[in-house]
Amino acid sequence: QVQLVQSGAEVKKPGSSVKVSCKLSGGTFNRYTISWVRQAPGQGLEWMGRIIPLLGKPDYAQKFQERVTLTADRSTSTAYMELSSLRSEDTAVFYCARLDEWEVPVLWGPGTLVIVSS
Amino acid sequence: QPVLTQSPSASASLGASVKLTCTLSSGQITYAIAWHQQQAEKGPRFLMKVNRDGTHTKGDGIPDRFLGSSSGAERYLTISSVQSEDEGDYYCQTWGIAIPLVFGGGTKLTVL
Repeated sequence: QVQLVQSGAEVKKPGSSVKVSCKLSGGTFNRYTISWVRQAPGQGLEWMGRIIPLLGKPDYAQKFQERVTLTADRSTSTAYMELSSLRSEDTAVFYCARLDEWEVPVLWGPGTLVIVSS
Repeated sequence: QPVLTQSPSASASLGASVKLTCTLSSGQITYAIAWHQQQAEKGPRFLMKVNRDGTHTKGDGIPDRFLGSSSGAERYLTISSVQSEDEGDYYCQTWGIAIPLVFGGGTKLTVL
C-alpha cells in the first residue's frame, strides 16, 4: 500500500525553525511532485510550495518564500519542509501530498502538528 | 489566479443525498477541479477530479455513491446514501500559475 508517513508533532519556540519529514512508503518517489500544504487551526488549506525530487528544484508561494526550504532525499524517498523564524501564527498542521502525472494531489500524508509557543 | 467559492456548511440526513457546489471565478470557468474530503482530525483524502464537461476520475477505493458533475462555472460533488463517515470538510481545489494548488474555503458537511 502506497502511503506518505510524516514525522511527529513538534513544539517550538518563536524564532526557531522546524523541519518536517514526509516519507513515501511504496510507489515511485522521484518523478512526481511533492507539495506542502498548511492548515491553521480551524482554517482551510493553503499551498506552501512544491518539489520534484528528480529535479530537486523547489518553488514556493510568495507568502512563504523567505522562510521555507523544501528538499528531497531520493535515497530514502523522503521529502522535507523546513520553516524558519517561527511565530505563533505558524501554529498549524502541515501536510505533504504527492501529485500524479497530471498534478492532481492523489495521496496525502496524515499531517504534522507544529505548535509555536514561548 | 483562480478563486473557488464554497458554501461554509451543508447538512444531510443519514441515507439521503447531498450536493456540494464549488464555483469557479469568472475568468476560469473552463478549469477542472478536484474534490478532497477531510474527516475530523485526519489528513485530506482525494475523492475525484471533475472536468468542465462533467466527466470525472475518482481516486482509488472511492465508493460509487460519490459522483462529480459540472455546469458552467460550477462543479458539483453529489453524495448519495449519506453515511455517518461522510461527515467532515470537503475542499475543492484547482490549478493556478503563481499558486499551483488553489483551494476553496471548504464546506463542512454535517450528517443528521
